[in-house]
Amino acid sequence: EDQVTQSPEALRLQEGESSSLNCSYTVSGLRGLFWYRQDPGKGPEFLFTLYSAGEEKEKERLKATLTKKESFLHITAPKPEDSATYLCAVGTNDYKLSFGAGTTVTVRA
Amino acid sequence: EAGVVQSPRYKIIEKKQPVAFWCNPISGHNTLYWYLQNLGQGPELLIRYENEEAVDDSQLPKDRFSAERLKGVDSTLKIQPAELGDSAVYLCASSSRQGQGNEQFFGPGTRLTVL
Repeated sequence: EDQVTQSPEALRLQEGESSSLNCSYTVSGLRGLFWYRQDPGKGPEFLFTLYSAGEEKEKERLKATLTKKESFLHITAPKPEDSATYLCAVGTNDYKLSFGAGTTVTVRA
Repeated sequence: EAGVVQSPRYKIIEKKQPVAFWCNPISGHNTLYWYLQNLGQGPELLIRYENEEAVDDSQLPKDRFSAERLKGVDSTLKIQPAELGDSAVYLCASSSRQGQGNEQFFGPGTRLTVL
């Protein structure tokens, strides 16, 4: 059974204080590792897809990396507008997405 | 390009009443998904459509939930009768088969409260 575990559950940062979120997974037939951002009252917003170990992708202050067992989302010098819940999901060959519970990030000015 | 559209955004009903949610996917996306999201959890797949065909409905509680996607575009998810435990956010997503990742794009969701 596919499993996705995200840690920590919540992260409180000072503006400019860089940190990382972890997503560990067990899956058969990984089609991709997806990161989404979700703001309160909204649907998840697509950020990145990673396909193979060693791959990295960046968008503004966010950088996602992938190994064979986990992915990290690095937030560099965060701003208050980076406050959100970040969801990790694994995609499998049957086009399913299995999501983790998310990490809620709060960035204080 | 317009995103995934869902309506209503909010719905409050009494238990045992029926309720329906509507979704219009991104134009050209042939795959449509319905997810359920409980507070503090990630989305969980209820049903996946490829065009008009429901290709994965293994997680759909078929005793009270039903879905349809006529003409392979819009979709409706129905609950009848609703129970207290059905209170959650119902998300619709769509994707295109083109490309390696099959990234899914989500609508804003419908927040259901069952009293």
